Amino acid sequence: QVQLQESGPGLVKPSETLSLTCTVSGGSVNSDSYYWSWIRQPPGKGLEWIGHIYYSGSTNYNPSLRSRVTMSVDTSKSQFSLNLNSVTAADTAVYYCARLPYCSGGTCRFKGFDYWGQGNLVTVSS
Amino acid sequence: DIQMTQSPSSLSASVGDRVTITCRASQSISDYLNWYQQKPGKPPQLLIYGASSLQSGVPSRFSGSGSGTDFSLTISSLQPDDFATYYCQQSYNSLIFTFGPGTKVDIK
Repeated sequence: QVQLQESGPGLVKPSETLSLTCTVSGGSVNSDSYYWSWIRQPPGKGLEWIGHIYYSGSTNYNPSLRSRVTMSVDTSKSQFSLNLNSVTAADTAVYYCARLPYCSGGTCRFKGFDYWGQGNLVTVSS
Repeated sequence: DIQMTQSPSSLSASVGDRVTITCRASQSISDYLNWYQQKPGKPPQLLIYGASSLQSGVPSRFSGSGSGTDFSLTISSLQPDDFATYYCQQSYNSLIFTFGPGTKVDIK
């Protein structure tokens, strides 16, 4: 059974960098079948896709956050990470990592996010 | 960007009711439409992908339909465990995935 677990600080000061790591167990990030994603949800609000990374290191970011986001993958540790710099209170949210299936049985198309971490609440405050 | 809208934003229903939630995309997304259920304090759970394919382990009372710009999620007989918020999400534009604003289903 695939499991994803976010880890990182729950409190970040304004203008600093938010850093989170997602550890994948029961599966490997070193697979051409999946993209690995970050999604966030401000308290009481809807879901916002932040971006995703492929096992090769190829990334795609939400244009609204692109200037502040960096993602990386460590296949040896089965982890992928998110850095969001210059944070403000508007970045306060629950941050989820999720798996996005892409290729299966020779066919490649994006499906839905099928496995999610439990979420990590990050509050931006001094 | 492809904008997603949902209606209604909330609804009240009784156990056993048939419930339908609609989702509309700002441009054609073929069948690249997914549905999620989210309960308070929990991550979303994938229900339907590709507009109408039931995710493994999801009860058959959930079904999805539509293509192009108009989609729907139907719960054939609402169960106590189904009171939650439902989101649609497009995976057509891989440069930016977008979610709908959500539909909250609560008890009448």
